[in-house]
Amino acid sequence: SAVISQKPSRDICQRGTSLTIQCQVDSQVTMMFWYRQQPGQSLTLIATANQGSEATYESGFVIDKFPISRPNLTFSTLTVSNMSPEDSSIYLCSVEQATSVYEQFFGPGTRLTVL
Amino acid sequence: GESVGLHLPTLSVQEGDNSIINCAYSNSASDYFIWYKQESGKGPQFIIDIRSNMDKRQGQRVTVLLNKTVKHLSLQIAATQPGDSAVYFCAETGGSNYKLTFGKGTLLTVNP
Repeated sequence: SAVISQKPSRDICQRGTSLTIQCQVDSQVTMMFWYRQQPGQSLTLIATANQGSEATYESGFVIDKFPISRPNLTFSTLTVSNMSPEDSSIYLCSVEQATSVYEQFFGPGTRLTVL
Repeated sequence: GESVGLHLPTLSVQEGDNSIINCAYSNSASDYFIWYKQESGKGPQFIIDIRSNMDKRQGQRVTVLLNKTVKHLSLQIAATQPGDSAVYFCAETGGSNYKLTFGKGTLLTVNP
């Protein structure tokens, strides 16, 4: 299975600022996904990031608020822009497993607190 | 809208007992289901999956049952151990859609 790392693992930020979260995979993958997990809640898909094309955003999420980069097949970033306390969540990236398009492996997550 | 949800938000069992975690889904087009385990401070970890053309699948100490008639999914953990304590999520994705829709999660606590 792919090994996924995220940076930072956690951060405390002031409202109005932006934070960029990095996701690094130890192998090349076609599809990467970004999820949000609010405190005590389930995971919600933010967007799908494919290399060489713009990210595809889910309903309720927009590029201006959550710009995503996917410069190559092993790396992606998610920026949380103009943060408010409501953005306090765990942000997770995941990748599809090479032998099954449905099996996704998740990174450890980035715990964001906005004051 | 379509959703995937869980009957029980918390479950507490004694070590050595069997655990059953339930999940209801509403999308009749769902054709693939996955159970994830999420330990505190970690990302979800794949446990077991099942396709809609099956009604049972077994792994190591885990069994997933699918009842398409009532749109119900369950995860059975045999001889539950303290290391099984975590939040368990069911998720579904259908057809050619790679997106996962997660249920609400059940917190499993194993008492020694």
